[in-house]
Amino acid sequence: EIVMTQSPDSLAVSLGERATINCKSSQSVFHSPINKNLLAWYQQKPGQPPKLLIYWASTRESGVPDRFSGSGSGTDFTLTISSLQAEDVAVYYCQHYLGTVTFGQGTKVEIK
Amino acid sequence: EVHLVESGGGLVQPGGSLRLSCAASGFTFSDFWMSWVRQAPGRGLEWVANIKEDGSAKTYVDSVRGRFTISRDNSKNSVYLQMNSLRAEDTAVYYCASDRPTGSYDRWGQGTLVTVSS
Repeated sequence: EIVMTQSPDSLAVSLGERATINCKSSQSVFHSPINKNLLAWYQQKPGQPPKLLIYWASTRESGVPDRFSGSGSGTDFTLTISSLQAEDVAVYYCQHYLGTVTFGQGTKVEIK
Repeated sequence: EVHLVESGGGLVQPGGSLRLSCAASGFTFSDFWMSWVRQAPGRGLEWVANIKEDGSAKTYVDSVRGRFTISRDNSKNSVYLQMNSLRAEDTAVYYCASDRPTGSYDRWGQGTLVTVSS
């Protein structure tokens, strides 16, 4: 089983500042048949299901603001919120889809 | 508009059984793998199981294999999760979600709460 480890567990960022969340997988999540990393990022607010932000490690889902971006390959990935807005307060999860599916433990983002 | 609506949650005693249902609408259900994902109170997301478009392949997380069974009925646009031998640690909100070929989940239900307690 591939283990996904996010860091930090929580972070507080001032409005308008950058937030960076890291996700490390215990094995590569690169899927060579399609030349893509099967790594997604989600945002979850209290009482709501998760919302897909990024798939294939760096492709933004339709309708997601461009302040959200994903990067990385193989085993190391990053979600960046370039200018934190109040509505971005949430828990963020990474997830792989290679064989089975595993989520990271989550990173709570708050306003400083 | 896409809708996934879960039902069947509730309070059950340890060792008991429960069957969850998820009704889909607004997309071609039979074209997609479907998954169940759960979230224990105050905890993170845990993928539970998924099932291929035609039901011919199923995968489970180790902690539920042998106790839970995922199934689907494409004529009813529905996916199910039969949960047997329930344990306290199975207490969670259970979400159904559709698997995209990109390896991500863009459609989620609102979830149904399962509480395992005596």
